[in-house]
Amino acid sequence: AIQLTQSPSSLSASVGDRVTITCRASQGISSALAWYQQKPGKAPKLLIYDASSLESGVPSRFSGSGSGTDFTLTISSLQPEDFATYYCQQFNNYPVTFGGGTKVEIK
Amino acid sequence: QLQLQESGPGLVKPSETLSLTCTVSGGSISSSSYYWGWIRQPPGKGLEWIGSIYYSGSTYYNPSLKSRVTISVDTSKNQFSLKLSSVTAADTAVYYCARCITMVRGVILNWFDPWGQGTLVTVSS
Repeated sequence: AIQLTQSPSSLSASVGDRVTITCRASQGISSALAWYQQKPGKAPKLLIYDASSLESGVPSRFSGSGSGTDFTLTISSLQPEDFATYYCQQFNNYPVTFGGGTKVEIK
Repeated sequence: QLQLQESGPGLVKPSETLSLTCTVSGGSISSSSYYWGWIRQPPGKGLEWIGSIYYSGSTYYNPSLKSRVTISVDTSKNQFSLKLSSVTAADTAVYYCARCITMVRGVILNWFDPWGQGTLVTVSS
């Protein structure tokens, strides 16, 4: 199975900061990557699919980039509602796998 | 809009079978554009895909769980179900059902959206 390694596993940031989260795949997955946001006690919410396509209704401060093995999720200006845990997911190879998550906390 | 809702026992004894159902509302489970999946999350940990099913009954399972998992679909009730046998404490988790987009550039299982709210299943005697 393809392993997805997210870094950092957690970070502290302030409102207005630019935040970048990395997801590295153990082998190439083209652009078959999605990003999710999960708040405590809630289900994950799709943010980005196909590595860089913004899901409808998701604020434009979220963006995704990358292909092959290295991917990034960027929040251009962190808002109070963005404090959450973020997961990447690959769907290029069976089985589908998720990264370990990155928790974004308030500084 | 499309909604998914998990239901089933919140407590299962070790060695028994965990059974959950996901009811889909606001859309048809028989759409050709989607698979339907189960994903779980142990308390304080990450996400693990369990398996997915098409309305025709075609299934894909995570190899790590395949020997214990059965996913079925009931199109007349717009529901799909999960059975996980021989459970242990390690199967304690929040179980989510979700819609899985299919056949994007030839890939059968893609991203998941939307998700149900999740249901906590505890394995304990």
